[in-house]
Amino acid sequence: DQQVKQNSPSLSVQEGRISILNCDYTNSMFDYFLWYKKYPAEGPTFLISISSIKDKNEDGRFTVFLNKSAKHLSLHIVPSQPGDSAVYFCAATDQGAQKLVFGQGTRLTINP
Amino acid sequence: GAGVSQSPSNKVTEKGKDVELRCDPISGHTALYWYRQSLGQGLEFLIYFQGNSAPDKSGLPSDRFSAERTGGSVSTLTIQRTQQEDSAVYLCASSLDRGQFRVQFFGPGTRLTVL
Repeated sequence: DQQVKQNSPSLSVQEGRISILNCDYTNSMFDYFLWYKKYPAEGPTFLISISSIKDKNEDGRFTVFLNKSAKHLSLHIVPSQPGDSAVYFCAATDQGAQKLVFGQGTRLTINP
Repeated sequence: GAGVSQSPSNKVTEKGKDVELRCDPISGHTALYWYRQSLGQGLEFLIYFQGNSAPDKSGLPSDRFSAERTGGSVSTLTIQRTQQEDSAVYLCASSLDRGQFRVQFFGPGTRLTVL
């Protein structure tokens, strides 16, 4: 029972364009969502988060959108840069559980 | 350093041996988590410590896995009688508290290979 799904294992985007990474969840109890970025041989690095009381959160080039009715969130990166090439994980939690439930990850490659 | 640290960074062991993995959380963080990432998989929750509360062990895959957290700081994850399917990257994370401070910060991980 995979509660958080990232259906695209990989995504390739040209430098300067917008990267859109998608994530779907099934558990309606989730109330906090996070995106992490992971480089090889390193631990995940926190990128941006959003609470379920919001539908958008922006931080520089990164924006996360939450559609609660569709149980869908997305991460937009604009403009995309070569250093953005990494694996991106979507994660969710509810206030009672504390643990993060992760998606399978999407490998983003930014092409020059 | 200011981040979460883990040791060793790599561990190769023979099937049937016991291993201990160590995590030093960020100073002041009351919550500590262990996850693992098997090859080609997402991160899988193992165990969670919060202050002096009883740990949430719901993610431990078998009774060969155990963890403790001494003095509310350093944590050790122990795997007894290791099996080849235990091969994975074991990641530790810490966070400040519940509520709004729920961002978890991860260490670099320990890559465990069971031969």
